[in-house]
Amino acid sequence: EVQLVESGGGLVQPGGSLRLSCAASGFTFSTYWMHWVRQAPGKGLVWVSRINKDGSTTSYADSVKGRFTISRDNAKNTLYLQMNSLRAEDTAVYYCVSNSGSSFDYWGQGTLVTVSS
Amino acid sequence: QSALTQPASVSGSPGQSITISCTGTSSDVGGYNYVSWYQQHPGKAPKLMIYDVSSRPSGVSNRFSGSKSGNTASLTISGLQAEDEADYYCSSYTSSTTVWVFGGGTKLTVL
Repeated sequence: EVQLVESGGGLVQPGGSLRLSCAASGFTFSTYWMHWVRQAPGKGLVWVSRINKDGSTTSYADSVKGRFTISRDNAKNTLYLQMNSLRAEDTAVYYCVSNSGSSFDYWGQGTLVTVSS
Repeated sequence: QSALTQPASVSGSPGQSITISCTGTSSDVGGYNYVSWYQQHPGKAPKLMIYDVSSRPSGVSNRFSGSKSGNTASLTISGLQAEDEADYYCSSYTSSTTVWVFGGGTKLTVL
């Protein structure tokens, strides 16, 4: 059974940092592109970032470019999202998502990030 | 404002069929057959229902079907059931730097 389990969310002050982790199991992690997708409270889904299978290629939404960094450790089957210079508008549930090609196949349960003073 | 446009809400009675539209541009929906649809129940993670415009993952009911014409994709749910009540999101690959875009979501109410 495919499992994606996010952790690392919480309350952080504006300008602060957080690192999210996503532990993957039940599939061959190193053969999948991985993404982060977020959802602000009561709002829709927004793509945040992606990373290719070996971690050599990354992409970011304009809203997080220069502040967020996606990475992965295939030996540990884990995906990361380093979030710096956090803003109130970054408040959301962050989902770790696998991508086998043209769609988002499996989603984690999400981790809530709240940016507030 | 979301990159893809969906109706905010649709409704139907049990047994009926409904269709949810998803309108983009030639840079996303119209340019690629990489449209997918997701179902999200309150408090839960989204679930893939349709990929590559009209393909269904294993385990998804054949009451769900997808199609595309030009810059507009559609999700049709036939034989509506109470358990279908949820939010539905479309998504598409895009040639812009955003890479992947979502619609704003459609709330389906089963009357």
